[in-house]
Amino acid sequence: SQKIEQNSEALNIQEGKTATLTCNYTNYSPAYLQWYRQDPGRGPVFLLLIRENEKEKRKERLKVTFDTTLKQSLFHITASQPADSATYLCALPPNTGTASKLTFGTGTRLQVTL
Amino acid sequence: NAGVTQTPKFRVLKTGQSMTLLCAQDMNHEYMYWYRQDPGMGLRLIHYSVGEGTTAKGEVPDGYNVSRLKKQNFLLGLESAAPSQTSVYFCASSPVSGGGPGAGTQYFGPGTRLLVL
Repeated sequence: SQKIEQNSEALNIQEGKTATLTCNYTNYSPAYLQWYRQDPGRGPVFLLLIRENEKEKRKERLKVTFDTTLKQSLFHITASQPADSATYLCALPPNTGTASKLTFGTGTRLQVTL
Repeated sequence: NAGVTQTPKFRVLKTGQSMTLLCAQDMNHEYMYWYRQDPGMGLRLIHYSVGEGTTAKGEVPDGYNVSRLKKQNFLLGLESAAPSQTSVYFCASSPVSGGGPGAGTQYFGPGTRLLVL
């Protein structure tokens, strides 16, 4: 069956360091992968989309890589700030059917401390 | 634009009671979704709609019904609430992107926290 795995343990890092979050998947052949941010008590917010033919995507301090051979995406936040503290979710479309239907990972909570 | 809004924000129900959660979007999106989010389980799709007048089952549809009578609204109904339906419910919408830059991007509402006693 299709499965998305994100580290359920919180990631604690110091301000200014680079945070790296991992999303692994099995039994998927995704055309793209998305990352969302979720703050406590709020709905997820879209951050980045990376397509299967793209190795890397950047947006300001965010960088996403996508390795379809390893079936893994890495999400990096450089020069992290306390305001980056949140839960980060990866999401994949189904192999077939409605392209806009996504399956979400359980998310990894990031805590950036001073 | 308000984006995606959800009503109510919080509700307490007794077992067996019914209620309807309302989701509205002003972005003219074709697709709309209802999720529930529970600790350790992540977001799970309940039902979704690919257009006005259409609905389809998601991963966990049992105990819920939906309707999409107007393009901008997507209603989630609980006919007979159970404690297992205690959760946070999120509505989302998505445009038909045709594989373009925004492919499959979903826009979420603020959530409805439901407690069933």
